[in-house]
Amino acid sequence: GAVVSQHPSWVICKSGTSVKIECRSLDFQATTMFWYRQFPKQSLMLMATSNEGSKATYEQGVEKDKFLINHASLTLSTLTVTSAHPEDSSFYICSARGGGPENIQYFGAGTRLSVL
Amino acid sequence: AQTVTQSQPEMSVQEAETVTLSCTYDTSENNYYLFWYKQPPSRQMILVIRQEAYKQQNATENRFSVNFQKAAKSFSLKISDSQLGDTAMYFCAFCSGNTGKLIFGQGTTLQVKP
Repeated sequence: GAVVSQHPSWVICKSGTSVKIECRSLDFQATTMFWYRQFPKQSLMLMATSNEGSKATYEQGVEKDKFLINHASLTLSTLTVTSAHPEDSSFYICSARGGGPENIQYFGAGTRLSVL
Repeated sequence: AQTVTQSQPEMSVQEAETVTLSCTYDTSENNYYLFWYKQPPSRQMILVIRQEAYKQQNATENRFSVNFQKAAKSFSLKISDSQLGDTAMYFCAFCSGNTGKLIFGQGTTLQVKP
């Protein structure tokens, strides 16, 4: 149980285009989902927290207009990187909470974004 | 603000031996949880072990156990009978009981040698 699916696993796009990443909880209802960014050989940095049906809460320094988050249902959250530029290239990971013992986050497999 | 510190960037251990990864944290909260996550080369984050701060008994999951010293704000992970599949980056994480947010340490890269 407690499986989180994240798609796509790898995306390459041209500078200026927008990219959407999906995060789904497959076997539980996720009251809260989280989005992280990870640079090579570094730790995970929390970008934002999203609750179903409400606006996402962004961490300090994260541009909300650049990284649009939608949590439309209890099983789906999306992250859209708008007008992507090479500096947005990174590994993005989602997690979901709600499917088991309190405060355990289950992680998706991550999405590698490469902006040319 | 909470902080999590892992002071060992890299460690190595021989297969079948025991290794301990260190983690310290700082918080003024009383209601929190501590986790160790493993990130193998696939980069999939895998939960290794979880500890509630209000529990004095150290958590154990098969070959993995923790030494939770609440007063010292220390939360080390011991891996017994190390296996090649344990090779990964290990992250210690603090979770606020109030916000549910995870704060990760810098990570320790563990190499298990045959």
